[in-house]
Amino acid sequence: TQLLEQSPQFLSIQEGENLTVYCNSSSVFSSLQWYRQEPGEGPVLLVTVVTGGEVKKLKRLTFQFGDARKDSSLHITAAQPGDTGLYLCAGASGTYKYIFGTGTRLKVLA
Amino acid sequence: DAEITQSPRHKITETGRQVTLACHQTWNHNNMFWYRQDLGHGLRLIHYSYGVQDTNKGEVSDGYSVSRSNTEDLPLTLESAASSQTSVYFCASSENWRGVNNEQFFGPGTRLTVL
Repeated sequence: TQLLEQSPQFLSIQEGENLTVYCNSSSVFSSLQWYRQEPGEGPVLLVTVVTGGEVKKLKRLTFQFGDARKDSSLHITAAQPGDTGLYLCAGASGTYKYIFGTGTRLKVLA
Repeated sequence: DAEITQSPRHKITETGRQVTLACHQTWNHNNMFWYRQDLGHGLRLIHYSYGVQDTNKGEVSDGYSVSRSNTEDLPLTLESAASSQTSVYFCASSENWRGVNNEQFFGPGTRLTVL
């Protein structure tokens, strides 16, 4: 059974701080996605990483796919209150399907 | 604009009742998915469909069923609601192509409470 564990589960930081969220598995994934979910809404895709070692940047967010394609990280620089939300990683599992991680709930205080 | 909608947004029901949650998408996507979201578990796949008349079980399918009679709709039925099925349910859809960026578009969710 493929599992994706995210850490930390909860994170509360002050505006301007940096943070890193981790997504780990013992399984290899052909691709991995990161979603952000705001209260009362469905998740929205942030990025997809495909190649081992790949790094993608989305403004202040940096996503990295592990060399062995078993893990990924999300780094946020100078966090802002608008970054508050639930961050979910999702690994490709069969045709068109994804296994979702356990989630990291981030709160950025002004 | 294309969208994916769910109804109702909130539902309270009693143990043993049959409940159907609706999902409607105007993306014209072939793939549709139902997830439940519980604290500490992220999103868990209940059922999914790759096209009309196609349905498949996900990792937590017991007590749930779906049917796909057209491209736009994938209703989720709880045959006999149980308190363990209290959760937030999300419907999603995606394109039907073997690319690596199969973005899933999610609905706003249905909060179901089983008393």
